[in-house]
Amino acid sequence: QSVLTQSPSASGTPGQRVTISCSGTSSNIGSNYVYWYQQLSGAAPKLLIYDSNQRPSGVPDRFSGSKSGTSASLAISGLRSEDEADYYCATWDDSLSGPVFGGGTKLTVL
Amino acid sequence: QVQLQESGPGLVKPSETLSLTCGVSGYSIRTAYYWGWVRQPPGKGLEWIGTMYHSGNTYYNPSLKSRLTISVDTSKNRFSLNLTSMTAADTAVYYCARHSGGYANFDCWGQGILVTVSS
Repeated sequence: QSVLTQSPSASGTPGQRVTISCSGTSSNIGSNYVYWYQQLSGAAPKLLIYDSNQRPSGVPDRFSGSKSGTSASLAISGLRSEDEADYYCATWDDSLSGPVFGGGTKLTVL
Repeated sequence: QVQLQESGPGLVKPSETLSLTCGVSGYSIRTAYYWGWVRQPPGKGLEWIGTMYHSGNTYYNPSLKSRLTISVDTSKNRFSLNLTSMTAADTAVYYCARHSGGYANFDCWGQGILVTVSS
C-alpha cells in the first residue's frame, strides 16, 4: 500500500490531453514539493517534473505539473505514442522523514 | 555527466544478507547531495529504502530500519547497502539514485539491478 494514491491506469489517443492525479496528506503533499517520474518499460525512472511544476532541461513543455492542497496532477498534452509508460508521483513525508512514492499510473496510448 | 552504477549478486538465498554497491562517476559524493536506494518489486511500484549523506549520516525507511545498513566509501566514491534476513518479499530491482536532503527529487539514477531471493 503506497503512501500516495494514484489511479492504476489512464489512457488517451494521440493528440489528446490526459491528466494523472496523486493524492496525499498534510504531512507529505500538503507541505512539500511534488515530483513526477516517467518510467519506460524496462528502464529506470526519469525525473519529469520537479518542485511541483518545473520541468528539467530536455523535458518537453507538453508535460506540466500542478499542486493544490494535498493533491497534485500531471498533465500531458498532445499525447504521443512514446508517452506510453508508468508515471509515479513522489514527495517528502515529514512524518516518515523520507521520500514517499505513489503506486504508479500506467498510461496507455490507444 | 553524473553516472551511477549498481553492482552485486543477482541471487540471494532466504535469510542471507544482500550487499549492493553503487559506484558514482562524474561527481564527488563528498561535494553535496544525498545518495539513496530505491527498490521496485516485479510489476509493482517504487519504495524508498534509505539515504546517506557523505558525512555518514543515514536515514532509513522505518519498515526496513532493523535490517538495513547504508555506508559510504568516499575514497572510492561509492556507497553501499546491506539488507539482512532476506525473504522472497525483498525480490526487486534495486536502484541507487541521487537527491537533495528533504526533497524527493531523484535526478540521477543507476540502471538498476534485479535481486531475486530464492533457494
